[in-house]
Formats: sequence, C-alpha cells, structure tokens
Amino acid sequence: QVQLMQSGAEVKKPGASVRVSCKTSGYTFNSRGISWVRQAPGQGLEWMGRINPFNGVTNYAQKFQARLTLTTDASTSTVYMELRSLTSDDTAVYYCTRGGFYDSSGPFDPWGQGTLVTVSS
Amino acid sequence: EILMTQSPATLSVSPGERATLSCRASQSVSTNLAWYQQKAGQAPRLLIYGASTRATGISARFSGSGSGTEFTLTISSLQSEDFAVYYCQQYNNWPPLTFGGGTKVQIK
Repeated sequence: QVQLMQSGAEVKKPGASVRVSCKTSGYTFNSRGISWVRQAPGQGLEWMGRINPFNGVTNYAQKFQARLTLTTDASTSTVYMELRSLTSDDTAVYYCTRGGFYDSSGPFDPWGQGTLVTVSS
Repeated sequence: EILMTQSPATLSVSPGERATLSCRASQSVSTNLAWYQQKAGQAPRLLIYGASTRATGISARFSGSGSGTEFTLTISSLQSEDFAVYYCQQYNNWPPLTFGGGTKVQIK
C-alpha cells in the first residue's frame, strides 16, 4: 500500500534550519506531486509548498517563498523539506502528503505521520 | 488566494444524530473540493474528494455535496469514532492550496 514515512522530531534554535524527509513507497514516485502542510499547536492546516518529482518543479506559498526548499531523491523515492531562518512561530507538526498526478494538485492522500519541529532557545 | 470558510467552528452532536458541516469558498472552485478528518494526535485522513466522492474505505455515513462556492459534509448517524475535526480544502486554483479553519465535532 502507499506509505509516506517521515523523519523524527527535531529541536532547533531560532535562526537555524531544519530538514525533514519523507520516504515514499507503494506507487510510482515520479507520478504524483508531494505537498508539505504544517499545523501549529492547536491550529489548523497550512499548505507550504509542492514538488513535482517528475520534473522537479516546485510551487511555494508566498509566505514561505524566501526560506523553503523542496527537493527529491529519486533513487530512494524520498522528498526533503528544508525550512531556514526558523523562529518560534515555526514550531509545528509538519506533514508530507501525496497529491495529484504530475501537474495536477489533486486531493491529498495519504499523509505522512507528521514530524514535530520545535524552535526554542 | 481563495479563502475557505467553515461553519460552525464547533458542533455538538449526540451519538446517532446527523451532523451537517458547511464550507464556503471566496470564489468558485467548481467541484475541486476535499474533506479531511483529523483525530487528536493523528494525521488528517481524506474522506471526500471531487466534492462528493468518498475516498477508498470511507463509510457511507459520510456524504459530500455542493459545487461552486457552497459545500456540505453530512455525517448521517454519528458514531463514537466520528468525533474529530473536519477540514475542507480547495484544489481548483493554486498556488496556494487552501484549507478551511476546521469544524470540531464534539459529543453533546
């Protein structure tokens, strides 16, 4: 079955960067986009960006444009999310999730288990 | 950016009763609308896509309707496992992909 397995929890200091991985399995890796969605404590879902593994094209939400980078490693069917210049406002659970085929956004299914990133001095 | 507004924020329902959740888009999203269920401490789960199509393995208790800017998720007879937070999401006009603020369905 389709699975997205994320790396473990991270604790970072303000100003640092974090890199979270999302290893996919159970489908053709380059056929479906992968999005990243975060959820601050007690808050709703916020879409951050998407990568098309087929051609590497990325789309980012404007608020993350300057400090978010999504990349892929096709040899391991893994997607990486790097967020730089962290502040306490970036403390959240970060999810990867599979979207639509190629350039289609599609609904998100399934989701990774989530990675808690805590930013604290 | 398309704004998604869900109402009510909290819905108190007794087990066995029907729950009706609403989602409104700031402009038409056609039927490119999904609903997700999120239980405490878990990742969201896709319930409905295309406004009215149940995802694989989703109970027939869940139904979606609507098009354009007005959408509804109905849970026909609430079971204990249905008490959760529900989010709508549009995937018609992007970036960005946008979610509603969520409706918490709690036990009355």
